[in-house]
Amino acid sequence: QLQLQESGPGLVTPSETLSLTCTVSGGSISISSYYWGWIRQPPGKGLEWIGSFYYGGNTYYNPSLKSRVSISVDASKNQFSLSLNSVTAADTAVYYCARDGGFRAVAGPFDFWGPGSLVTVSS
Amino acid sequence: NFMLTQPHSVSESPGKTVALSCTRSSGSIASNYVQWYQQRPGSAPTNVIYDDDQRPSGVPDRFFGSIDSSSNSASLTISGLKTEDEADYYCQSYEGDNVIFGGGTKLTVL
Repeated sequence: QLQLQESGPGLVTPSETLSLTCTVSGGSISISSYYWGWIRQPPGKGLEWIGSFYYGGNTYYNPSLKSRVSISVDASKNQFSLSLNSVTAADTAVYYCARDGGFRAVAGPFDFWGPGSLVTVSS
Repeated sequence: NFMLTQPHSVSESPGKTVALSCTRSSGSIASNYVQWYQQRPGSAPTNVIYDDDQRPSGVPDRFFGSIDSSSNSASLTISGLKTEDEADYYCQSYEGDNVIFGGGTKLTVL
């Protein structure tokens, strides 16, 4: 069974960079025919797509975050990472990594999710 | 890009049927598939409908997805409501290289 797990600091200082890693088990990022992505949810609010990538292919980002976000992959560890710079309190959220199980680029559905990682931006 | 608008909250009694709506602001609802997610408190979302009307394995057939071009909206209909269905429900679609979520509906079953 595919499992995803987010990890990283729970507290980030304003103006600094938020970094999270998603470790995938039960399946390979590099040989599967799927996109993988990050989604976030501010406390008490709705879901916001951050970005998705296909191993060896394209990476797509939410236009509203594109100037501050980057997704990278470490296939040897079966991990992918999120980097969000110049953070403010508005970036405080639960960050989820997920698999896009659809057969179209960046369309969903997101069929496997990590449990989520709360990141608070505060000094 | 378009927006997906969902009612903030809906309440219904156990055993009844409820329809949760998701209205697309511009462009045709039929142009891009709609997915639905259930999120119980403190948990990650789970996919309950994909590609407008398809149920993932393990999702009971009480969950039914549809689209209506006349109202430019998608609906998630849950029949035979159970207390365990109480959750937040999100619709999701896409356009070009962008994924769009609705704001979510809080379903209360009481």
